[in-house]
Amino acid sequence: AQKVTQAQTEISVVEKEDVTLDCVYETRDTTYYLFWYKQPPSGELVFLIRRNSFDEQNEISGRYSWNFQKSTSSFNFTITASQVVDSAVYFCALSVRGGSQGNLIFGKGTKLSVKP
Amino acid sequence: DGGITQSPKYLFRKEGQNVTLSCEQNLNHDAMYWYRQDPGQGLRLIYYSQIVNDFQKGDIAEGYSVSREKKESFPLTVTSAQKNPTAFYLCASSVDRVPQPQHFGDGTRLSIL
Repeated sequence: AQKVTQAQTEISVVEKEDVTLDCVYETRDTTYYLFWYKQPPSGELVFLIRRNSFDEQNEISGRYSWNFQKSTSSFNFTITASQVVDSAVYFCALSVRGGSQGNLIFGKGTKLSVKP
Repeated sequence: DGGITQSPKYLFRKEGQNVTLSCEQNLNHDAMYWYRQDPGQGLRLIYYSQIVNDFQKGDIAEGYSVSREKKESFPLTVTSAQKNPTAFYLCASSVDRVPQPQHFGDGTRLSIL
C-alpha cells in the first residue's frame, strides 16, 4: 500500500525565515513519482514539482528547493527567505507506475503561515 | 487563457436532492479527475476518466456519479446516497494519465441546507 505522511500540520514563521516542509512516503514500487502542490486561500492547487524515483538530484527553483532522499523515503521542501505570499497549504503526493491509474495519493497537507 | 473552470463556486444541497458540479477544461487534456477535500485532510479521488466515454471509480466513489461525453467536460453528480456531501470538490486534468502533473480548477464548496 502507498502512503504519504506530512507530520507538520501547521507551521508559522516570520517573513524572511527559512522553512522546511517534511514529506515521508511509503511504497514498495521501485518506480514512482513524487509531487508538491501549493493550495493558496483561493482554493486551486498549483503544481510545483514532480520527481521520479530514479532521479535523486536535489532541485532548486528560485527560493524553493527540494531534497529527495530514497534512503529515508523523504521528499522535503524548503522555502528560503519566506514571504507572506508563500502562505498556503502545501501538499506532497505520490503516484506509482502501474498503480490504479489516475491515483495521486496525497498527504494531509501542511498549512504554512508567513507573518510580516 | 487555457485552464479548468468549475462552477458554481458555492452550492447548497437540500436533503434527498441530487446536485451536479460542472468541470470544463480547454487544455485539450485527455485525463480528468474529481477529488474531495475535507478540512485538515488531503485530497481523495472520487472518479477519473482517461478518455471520452470511459471513467473509473476512485477511492470514495459511493454516492457519486460522473459522465464523460465530451473531452472538455467531466460533470460530477452528488446523489442523495452520499450522506455526508459537505466538502470542497476539486476537478483536475492532465495531458495523459498520472504521472503527468495535474492542473486544478478553483473548486466548488458544497454545503447541506
